[in-house]
Amino acid sequence: KNQVEQSPQSLIILEGKNCTLQCNYTVSPFSNLRWYKQDTGRGPVSLTIMTFSENTKSNGRYTATLDADTKQSSLHITASQLSDSASYICVVSPFSGGYNKLIFGAGTRLAVHP
Amino acid sequence: SQTIHQWPATLVQPVGSPLSLECTVEGTSNPNLYWYRQAAGRGLQLLFYSVGIGQISSEVPQNLSASRPQDRQFILSSKKLLLSDSGFYLCAWSGQSSNYGYTFGSGTRLTVV
Repeated sequence: KNQVEQSPQSLIILEGKNCTLQCNYTVSPFSNLRWYKQDTGRGPVSLTIMTFSENTKSNGRYTATLDADTKQSSLHITASQLSDSASYICVVSPFSGGYNKLIFGAGTRLAVHP
Repeated sequence: SQTIHQWPATLVQPVGSPLSLECTVEGTSNPNLYWYRQAAGRGLQLLFYSVGIGQISSEVPQNLSASRPQDRQFILSSKKLLLSDSGFYLCAWSGQSSNYGYTFGSGTRLTVV
């Protein structure tokens, strides 16, 4: 069964610190993997998208990595800011499917404290 | 540039009342449109998707229905709301090509009382 699992479920860090969020998936083959940021009560906003052949993608202080062999992805946040407090969602698109086949992780809830 | 609008942002409705949530997309034509529901602590669940006017596919059996009366308009409806319909509803759009991004609306928090 195609699944996407994220860890940790929640995380608290101090402002200015770095953190790494994990995403493990069993989707195979897959077309691309995306990371979204979702502020409380808002819709998810795309941070990065990587195809199966890419290893890393950056967007400002956000860097996503992908290891297609181990089926793992991580999102690294550098020099965290209070505005980084949000849920981060990993989404995998199976190779055979259209967009209706996106598989979502449950998300990691990040809280950045001053 | 493309934008997606979803309203209302919050809604409190009594059990048994009807529902109509609207989503519109600007700046593109013939988008794929989606309705998702998000439960607390869980991943997004696809409810409906549409690849064109009048074309609706349902992913899960439920008390809700969807319609696409115009190319860039997607409506989520119910004739009689249940308590279990409470949740956070998200509309999204994507282009026909797999290279296009997948953009979400701002969401509607529905509380059925």
